[in-house]
Amino acid sequence: NAGVTQTPKFRVLKTGQSMTLLCAQDMNHEYMYWYRQDPGMGLRLIHYSVGEGTTAKGEVPDGYNVSRLKKQNFLLGLESAAPSQTSVYFCASSYGQGHNSYGYTFGSGTRLTVV
Amino acid sequence: AQSVTQLGSHVSVSEGALVLLRCNYSSSVPPYLFWYVQYPNQGLQLLLKYTTGATLVKGINGFEAEFKKSETSFHLTKPSAHMSDAAEYFCAVSGSNSNYQLIWGAGTKLIIKP
Repeated sequence: NAGVTQTPKFRVLKTGQSMTLLCAQDMNHEYMYWYRQDPGMGLRLIHYSVGEGTTAKGEVPDGYNVSRLKKQNFLLGLESAAPSQTSVYFCASSYGQGHNSYGYTFGSGTRLTVV
Repeated sequence: AQSVTQLGSHVSVSEGALVLLRCNYSSSVPPYLFWYVQYPNQGLQLLLKYTTGATLVKGINGFEAEFKKSETSFHLTKPSAHMSDAAEYFCAVSGSNSNYQLIWGAGTKLIIKP
């Protein structure tokens, strides 16, 4: 089925460890996004990409890095995990950006716990 | 700066009753408004969106929302709640800011009582 696939679905990290979250979409979307979702705070944009080879900072980029080497993949990295990064992470993609989009397609999320 | 306020982190209605989820926004430019739904342990799905034109927008699963510029509101309604409507609902706004990103509300969890 076409859509956005996130791996892994769950992960527990120790403080200071690193990891990479993978997002893959098969809809040929130009725009991709990484969000974190915390209770009572809605979605907050971490980083986004407007096309292959491009990345930009969102609302809460500190402690994260991203790469978009291929159009279909958007990777989110945590170099040195902290407990404050415990969250649910969502990847999304869209045909257009913001109001020019036909709606964002979301992955099912990655639940990350940092202990 | 744009912002979105969703009134009520939890809303509880009886099955068959009217559903009303409130969303107010602030924007210095004409807004584009969205409602998304998130079922448990899933990602978000687009319910409906307002860009231009007709202010009453119909979405999936019998939901609709009305854009009221004078009230800066975009409330989501459904005439008769169904148990399957239990989910979290997010309102979002986008406008001509520097990067056209969506600004999200904090979400409202809809609880359906049998």
